[in-house]
Amino acid sequence: DTGVSQDPRHKITKRGQNVTFRCDPISEHNRLYWYRQTLGQGPEFLTYFQNEAQLEKSRLLSDRFSAERPKGSFSTLEIQRTEQGDSAMYLCASSFSPPRGYGYTFGSGTRLTVV
Amino acid sequence: SQQGEEDPQALSIQEGENATMNCSYKTSINNLQWYRQNSGRGLVHLILIRSNEREKHSGRLRVTLDTSKKSSSLLITASRAADTASYFCATDSGGGSNYKLTFGKGTLLTVNP
Repeated sequence: DTGVSQDPRHKITKRGQNVTFRCDPISEHNRLYWYRQTLGQGPEFLTYFQNEAQLEKSRLLSDRFSAERPKGSFSTLEIQRTEQGDSAMYLCASSFSPPRGYGYTFGSGTRLTVV
Repeated sequence: SQQGEEDPQALSIQEGENATMNCSYKTSINNLQWYRQNSGRGLVHLILIRSNEREKHSGRLRVTLDTSKKSSSLLITASRAADTASYFCATDSGGGSNYKLTFGKGTLLTVNP
């Protein structure tokens, strides 16, 4: 297991289109997190899963956003009817629960550009 | 919302010098973590300090935590050009098993060769 994988690395889409991102966490980790990062800012929490259960969603996650983690393995984040304000880097992270001394492991992110 | 605030926002030093970054936060925490992010890439975990710890070392990194002042500092000694990156502090302040990280806006460190 080489870490957290995210796909695609880059996505350019037209406003109004739907997009879906995938995250494959470290297999032993039971927690999976989604964050969003805009230029010059720190990552902002969107949602997290414990195994297949989605335990918390940020108010940033409007009803156009949906995340799933079927079978507690990989996760998908879908954005419907994309808007220009959705342009950002979407980061996935995984960890044990509780997190151990080495913190969370992040993927390289998916950069979304909405034109 | 972002809990932590790093200071300074940007820091430029010469190779071999030490770099110190500070972080302040607002609520009580379980632990505080520092991450590095190279331009356009994901975050790399550097060090975790628990709320009952005051200082921790890892290689050229030294982290301190003062829970009474709700602040932490990250010291990078003998900096290298490869240390050029953004550095973020993140607080884990969830109650019970509600672990999640809240990040600051980061410090952009430039190490000039």
